[in-house]
Amino acid sequence: NAGVMQNPRHLVRRRGQEARLRCSPMKGHSHVYWYRQLPEEGLKFMVYLQKENIIDESGMPKERFSAEFPKEGPSILRIQQVVRGDSAAYFCASSPYRTGETQYFGPGTRLLVL
Amino acid sequence: KQEVTQIPAALSVPEGENLVLNCSFTDSAIYNLQWFRQDPGKGLTSLLLIQSSQREQTSGRLNASLDKSSGRSTLYIAASQPGDSATYLCAVRTNAGGTSYGKLTFGQGTILTVHP
Repeated sequence: NAGVMQNPRHLVRRRGQEARLRCSPMKGHSHVYWYRQLPEEGLKFMVYLQKENIIDESGMPKERFSAEFPKEGPSILRIQQVVRGDSAAYFCASSPYRTGETQYFGPGTRLLVL
Repeated sequence: KQEVTQIPAALSVPEGENLVLNCSFTDSAIYNLQWFRQDPGKGLTSLLLIQSSQREQTSGRLNASLDKSSGRSTLYIAASQPGDSATYLCAVRTNAGGTSYGKLTFGQGTILTVHP
């Protein structure tokens, strides 16, 4: 059973470009979470999704950031018009259908904005 | 708003020592608490999950305790090895119900170095 997969592992963008980060949850997991780890800071929750639904987006910046988890395919975290402050490691986690279960984390995508 | 603090921020010990990492949280209404390990440039590996109704969990040389009323958890590592060197993160899931049910609130982590 493959773990949580994220791609790309490293992404370089210039200011103003768009960044698309993908997350494939573990098989059988229908809950996906995105977290961001800024340099020298801890992990911060961004958004919690189930298939086709955003459950909690209280940690998402109000502008430029969006997330989806379609019925088919991976979850996507999209950052429009990136700025240098978006440079961070973005982690995706998944858990089974029952809430309260362990969250399993992917290896992360390291975004560098030049 | 839940806040999680980990002490110490960094710890360096010789191989073979037993050690304790501390985690405290401000809102005791938690659903569970999870300890993770993060290696440089890598993702997070779940070590132990303690439900709010439990007092401790053990896995090999690791033992985690939970005192929900005082808002504290400790991670005990027995007979430390150089391979234990990593950042250890504590995370709580607050039992706020509704949509905030899923998210984890993380501490800043403890950077552990075990030298031979």
